[in-house]
Amino acid sequence: EVQLLESGGGLVQPGGSLRLSCAASGFIFGNYAMTWVRQAPGKGLEWVSSISGSGDGTYYADSVKGRFTISRDNSKSTLYLQVSSLRAEDTAVYYCAKERIIRQWPHIYSDYWGQGTLVTVSS
Amino acid sequence: QLVLTQSPSASASLGASVKLTCTLSSGHSSYAIAWYQQQPEKGPRYLMKLNSDGSDIKGDGIPDRFSGSSSGAERYLTISSLQSEDEADYYCQTWDTGFWVFGGGTKVTVL
Repeated sequence: EVQLLESGGGLVQPGGSLRLSCAASGFIFGNYAMTWVRQAPGKGLEWVSSISGSGDGTYYADSVKGRFTISRDNSKSTLYLQVSSLRAEDTAVYYCAKERIIRQWPHIYSDYWGQGTLVTVSS
Repeated sequence: QLVLTQSPSASASLGASVKLTCTLSSGHSSYAIAWYQQQPEKGPRYLMKLNSDGSDIKGDGIPDRFSGSSSGAERYLTISSLQSEDEADYYCQTWDTGFWVFGGGTKVTVL
């Protein structure tokens, strides 16, 4: 059974940083691209960043480019998102999601999603 | 610019059918999309990938009550025999090289 479990969210002041994690199980992690998607309170879904299965390819939304860094440790089956220079508008639930197609890059759509971790940026 | 447009809300009675629409922006009518369901306080659930020819690839365990179809730039999700657990937000999503786009979502209410 595929499982994705996010962690690392919390309350942070504007300008602060956090590292979000997504622990994966139930599939060969390194064979699949992964993506972070966020959802501000009461709003829709917003793509944030994607990474290839090997970790050598990445893409970012313009809204986070230069502030967020996506990475992965395939030996630990874990995806990360380092979020820095945080702003109030970064407040959201952050979801990790798995590409459906093995060895597909760029990541095009996801068949499994986690339950999310909430990041709140406030002073 | 690649944009997906969805109506904000839809409703139908228990046991009836509802058809949701996702419209691709001009020049992008050949794009495939994915449909997701998001129940309150949960992460999205993959329903299907829907191609421009109407063919689809459903997710694991998705009941036959969920079906997709296409016409031009429109992509549809039809939910038949509506059940109370179908009350949720439904999002369409597409992609181009290096980025994803989501529609604004449709909130489905079961009356």
